[in-house]
Amino acid sequence: RKEVEQDPGPFNVPEGATVAFNCTYSNSASQSFFWYRQDCRKEPKLLMSVYSSGNEDGRFTAQLNRASQYISLLIRDSKLSDSATYLCVVTTQPYFAGGYNKLIFGAGTRLAVHP
Amino acid sequence: GAVVSQHPSRVICKSGTSVKIECRSLDFQATTMFWYRQFPKQSLMLMATSNEGSKATYEQGVEKDKFLINHASLTLSTLTVTSAHPEDSSFYICSAVEDRSNQPQHFGDGTRLSIL
Repeated sequence: RKEVEQDPGPFNVPEGATVAFNCTYSNSASQSFFWYRQDCRKEPKLLMSVYSSGNEDGRFTAQLNRASQYISLLIRDSKLSDSATYLCVVTTQPYFAGGYNKLIFGAGTRLAVHP
Repeated sequence: GAVVSQHPSRVICKSGTSVKIECRSLDFQATTMFWYRQFPKQSLMLMATSNEGSKATYEQGVEKDKFLINHASLTLSTLTVTSAHPEDSSFYICSAVEDRSNQPQHFGDGTRLSIL
């Protein structure tokens, strides 16, 4: 079983749509959770951290359910520029450990936003 | 902002060739760098943790004699794929952690390696 599982998609949505991605992780000892964005043939870029209380950054909302080992990302009012692959990432260390965490990546969910 | 430069961005070479990839932190010092590999439509997989002045730590299943890592300075780590074969064709990405507390990993822009 993969440590981090995501629906590969693609999700094809029109501009302005709301789209949600889900992710499950297998290691109950996971402590820190992130969503990254990766454009085709590019490096991953941190989109947002995910906290137990849920957090929002503009059009993006992330939720964490530790009991179900489940993470979600909601994108509202989709833009063409949101087209990318969204990577769910977990680590077994706390957020304050910073970059020394071993990052466990999901294979990503591809989003295609069309006019 | 923190910038990590990776070179070369694209390599095409014959089977049996050894290929060296450089990862540089341009405006910060990084005692720790990471090397990842990503096959098409798959997740980034950590290959090894590179530590300045000491031996790299390899993940399970990664051959240390095949993937040589050298982290000779606080701003440079190199990954050498020795005697590369077509199955080594992949996207290799490095990341670096600034030597200050609570800093994220900054990723290089990757090297696409194609072995013919």
